[in-house]
Amino acid sequence: RKEVEQDPGPFNVPEGATVAFNCTYSNSASQSFFWYRQDCRKEPKLLMSVYSSGNEDGRFTAQLNRASQYISLLIRDSKLSDSATYLCVVTDTGRRALTFGSGTRLQVQP
Amino acid sequence: NAGVTQTPKFQVLKTGQSMTLQCAQDMNHNSMYWYRQDPGMGLRLIYYSASEGTTDKGEVPNGYNVSRLNKREFSLRLESAAPSQTSVYFCASSEGIWTGLNTEAFFGQGTRLTVV
Repeated sequence: RKEVEQDPGPFNVPEGATVAFNCTYSNSASQSFFWYRQDCRKEPKLLMSVYSSGNEDGRFTAQLNRASQYISLLIRDSKLSDSATYLCVVTDTGRRALTFGSGTRLQVQP
Repeated sequence: NAGVTQTPKFQVLKTGQSMTLQCAQDMNHNSMYWYRQDPGMGLRLIYYSASEGTTDKGEVPNGYNVSRLNKREFSLRLESAAPSQTSVYFCASSEGIWTGLNTEAFFGQGTRLTVV
């Protein structure tokens, strides 16, 4: 079983739609959680950290459910520029490094 | 604002050849990482260095070696390249995962390596 699992998609949504991604992680001792964004053939970049109380950054909302070991990302009012792959990331308590999910691809259509 | 710089950006090797991927960061970060990315597999950790002078194996270390030359530089070496090592390689750095705070990892632009 992968340590961090995501639905690969693609999610094809029209502009203005609301879309949600989920991610599950297997290590209950994981401590920090993030969403990264990766554009085609580019390096990943931090989109937002995920806090236990949930957090919002503009059109993006992230939630963490430690009991069920899943993380979510909600994107409201989707823009064409949101088209990318979204990577769920957790810190690995054993290796002191980031563990990545395989990513969920989002395609926003006009 | 260079951030994390990787060289080369592209490379084609023949099976059995060796090469070193170079990575340097100018953010005074303690931790540095090497990942590989294959279609459908996400990023997998090859090696990491939590601080200057230390290196540790990640998820897929076989066939690779690393050197943390100083705080700025972390190189990845393929001693005898194999077609299975065809991938996109990313170097990254962060202030330190275990500072007790959420810390951001910054990535280089990647090296696209093909082994024929």
